[in-house]
Amino acid sequence: NAGVTQTPKFQVLKTGQSMTLQCAQDMNHEYMSWYRQDPGMGLRLIHYSVGAGITDQGEVPNGYNVSRSTTEDFPLRLLSAAPSQTSVYFCAAIGTGRNTEAFFGQGTRLTVV
Amino acid sequence: DAKTTQPPSMDCAEGRAANLPCNHSTISGNEYVYWYRQIHSQGPQYIIHGLKNNETNEMASLIITEDRKSSTLILPHATLRDTAVYYCIDSYTGNQFYFGTGTSLTVIP
Repeated sequence: NAGVTQTPKFQVLKTGQSMTLQCAQDMNHEYMSWYRQDPGMGLRLIHYSVGAGITDQGEVPNGYNVSRSTTEDFPLRLLSAAPSQTSVYFCAAIGTGRNTEAFFGQGTRLTVV
Repeated sequence: DAKTTQPPSMDCAEGRAANLPCNHSTISGNEYVYWYRQIHSQGPQYIIHGLKNNETNEMASLIITEDRKSSTLILPHATLRDTAVYYCIDSYTGNQFYFGTGTSLTVIP
């Protein structure tokens, strides 16, 4: 099983460009999330989804959009990249119920110049 | 928001037990305590979780105090590959995890 797959692994953007970070899971989990991690910091929740067609904001949603048209995919869109969005982005898929665990992708390292 | 308190860093000798504490004094009665670790900027990895009783799996043991205000993650025989940042999480709102800054564990040869 691939689990959670993120693409690309690395990306350099110029300020003002837009792009989409891809996340796909093959575990049929209803819940998916996007986090960002800045150097020396913990993970901060950007957006999350509790099922296809349903998304909501996390702690730091500004500058990002998400959609969830299928259970498998949860792309994260940067509308107009800024240097402050330089970070490592992690996607997670989570089972339902309280007695469950989150599975994370290996991350996308984004640099905005 | 994460409401846990962990020491920022700890050292442990290779082969010895690593005991990582966590305070979660505001945890509600039906919230589980989860532990994850992150090795050198890889994606976080699930370790263990528990509600009231102590738990053990192939990776670690979790000891939760009777009042549930704190817990300890135990790695019984730490190896160099256990060097990582360990996160204790008690915020599980809508199946979303809120991470704090964790404990950076260094296993020393």
